[in-house]
Amino acid sequence: AQTVTQSQPEMSVQEAETVTLSCTYDTSESDYYLFWYKQPPSRQMILVIRQEAYKQQNATENRFSVNFQKAAKSFSLKISDSQLGDAAMYFCAYRSLNTDKLIFGTGTRLQVFP
Amino acid sequence: DTAVSQTPKYLVTQMGNDKSIKCEQNLGHDTMYWYKQDSKKFLKIMFSYNNKELIINETVPNRFSPKSPDKAHLNLHINSLELGDSAVYFCASSRTGFTEAFFGQGTRLTVV
Repeated sequence: AQTVTQSQPEMSVQEAETVTLSCTYDTSESDYYLFWYKQPPSRQMILVIRQEAYKQQNATENRFSVNFQKAAKSFSLKISDSQLGDAAMYFCAYRSLNTDKLIFGTGTRLQVFP
Repeated sequence: DTAVSQTPKYLVTQMGNDKSIKCEQNLGHDTMYWYKQDSKKFLKIMFSYNNKELIINETVPNRFSPKSPDKAHLNLHINSLELGDSAVYFCASSRTGFTEAFFGQGTRLTVV
């Protein structure tokens, strides 16, 4: 069975600085999808970025980018130029091509200080 | 326009009661899900439906019964509520073979 591990329960960053959230996963599959979701205090789950395992190029969405290391089974999220609105819980998630379910990590709470 | 909407957003009820949570999506997706987020924020899938057919049932107690009257709706009925059922329940939807799922705002269920 696949598992997703987020080893940082909490992280903090100063406004305008860069922060990296870690995620590792375990799978025997060669093709899959990886996601980062953001959950602000409003509780809404918002997709931040996704990565297809067959793509070697790291995904980027504006200030958000990932470092996808397939051999190491690592999928970290880098937030550049952090903003107060980035403060939230961040969840890493895995999806097998064989099922439609998402397997989530335990989340990292990100605090952003002015 | 809200893509995935759940009602109610908050639900407080007594142990032993039966309650339902409704979910509707207007994205034209054919797969819908229920996820549970516990007090430690851990998210886990409960059910998924594809074109009104149950696809995933993740060892959820029989007291939980999903119902999908059509592709755009997936309701969750919970019988004989227990204290441990207190959680946030998220509905989500996607296209078959999706690359992303869209979530509702969640329903915070508190059993007292």
